[in-house]
Formats: sequence, structure tokens, C-alpha cells
Amino acid sequence: QSAPTQPASVSGSPGQSITISCSGTSSDVGSYNLVSWYQQHPGKAPKLIIYDVTKRPSGVSNRFSGSKSGKTASLTISGLQPEDEANYHCCSYAGSSTWVFGGGTQLTVL
Amino acid sequence: EVQLVESGGDVAQPGGSLRLSCVASGFKFDDYAMHWVRQVPGKGLEWVSLITWDGSFSSYADSVKGRFSVSRDSSKNSLYLQMNSLRAEDTALYYCAKDSGVKAAAGEMDYWGQGTLATVSS
Repeated sequence: QSAPTQPASVSGSPGQSITISCSGTSSDVGSYNLVSWYQQHPGKAPKLIIYDVTKRPSGVSNRFSGSKSGKTASLTISGLQPEDEANYHCCSYAGSSTWVFGGGTQLTVL
Repeated sequence: EVQLVESGGDVAQPGGSLRLSCVASGFKFDDYAMHWVRQVPGKGLEWVSLITWDGSFSSYADSVKGRFSVSRDSSKNSLYLQMNSLRAEDTALYYCAKDSGVKAAAGEMDYWGQGTLATVSS
């Protein structure tokens, strides 16, 4: 159960697009289309923003989108806004009713 | 409105025990699997445990298997995490989270509590 790899930090200017990667293995990201993404502001609980690789829960902005290629899942945020500054965590099903989170990525909006 | 309120976090000695609780409201507790997820302050999230909607099955991360036990009480709309043989590396903020799937664990966690802090220190 090793954690998928995420970049420690990414940054972008308002209005730009950024992509956060989540590199897993053939035991997790590479084997299941069960990747979710969570946004977490400082001192707050995580919030689900993407599930099943590409789906958005009701109420989540369509500026957030997800994709997957092989063992790497990605979260793209378009039209960056100041309130997008937060930590982002990927999570993948890892088989045998277990899940694994990535290490998290700090997004800075410049 | 869905609410999850954790409690039970405290300071415990290495080798000791703690029991965390999570009271749920605003949804039909009996229909949903529940997760425990922990986070060392300033670090990433770590999935800890799942219990199915009816309590018939549970699963654990390797890091806690054999030491932690999850349970639920539908009469109290409550989820529990019994933590035994505690280690310093178990120090974290523990969140309970609701699974989104009805009577089947979908894996995504659509509602989270605010967490309860468990500290293991001598």
C-alpha cells in the first residue's frame, strides 16, 4: 500500500489552467477507474470534487476536471481563481476493499 | 443537512488504547458504508478503515491491521474506531467520512467530519 505520487506543489496565476498528477501503480490507479480527488483548505475537512476519475459531484464547478492515462490520474483546474488555493489529494481504490491516498499537492494561486 | 461529529481524541501512551466515536445525522446511516481517514497535521491523508453499511465487513490499512477495529451502532447512528497497541506514528487528526454508495461501498467519501486529534506520547 504505497501512496501514489503527487507533486508537492504547483502554482498558477488567476485565469490560467493547472494540472496535478497522481502517479500510482498497476495495483491501484492503473487497475481501477476509481480515482477521486479532494480539495482541502487549511484547517478544514476535505471536500470531494472528482470521483470515478472524471465525474463531478453536484455543486462542484465545471472548472474542475479529471482524467487518467495508464497508471497516472490527473486533475485539471481551469480559469484559476484565488479560492482554488488549497491542498489537493488524489485517492485510488487499491483492491481488497482498501484505498490509498496520494501525498497531497499544495496549489498556490499567484 | 449531513453532519458527522467525531470525538474521543486524547493523549495516550505508547502501547495504550483510545476509542474514537463519530455521530452521524442528516442521512439514513444504515444505508451507507463509512470510512476512517487520518492526517498528520501538515501532511497528506491516509485511509485507515472501512465498514460496510450493515457492519458485516470491515477492512483496514496495513499500517493499522491487527491493532485497530471499526464498528458501528445503528441504534445510535454512531461509528467507532477502537485503537489498541498505539504507536507514536498513530498521532494524527482522525476523520470519519461517509461513503457515497447506497448499500455498497463506492469508495468516494462525500461528507467528512471535522476530525478528532489522537496524540500518542509518553
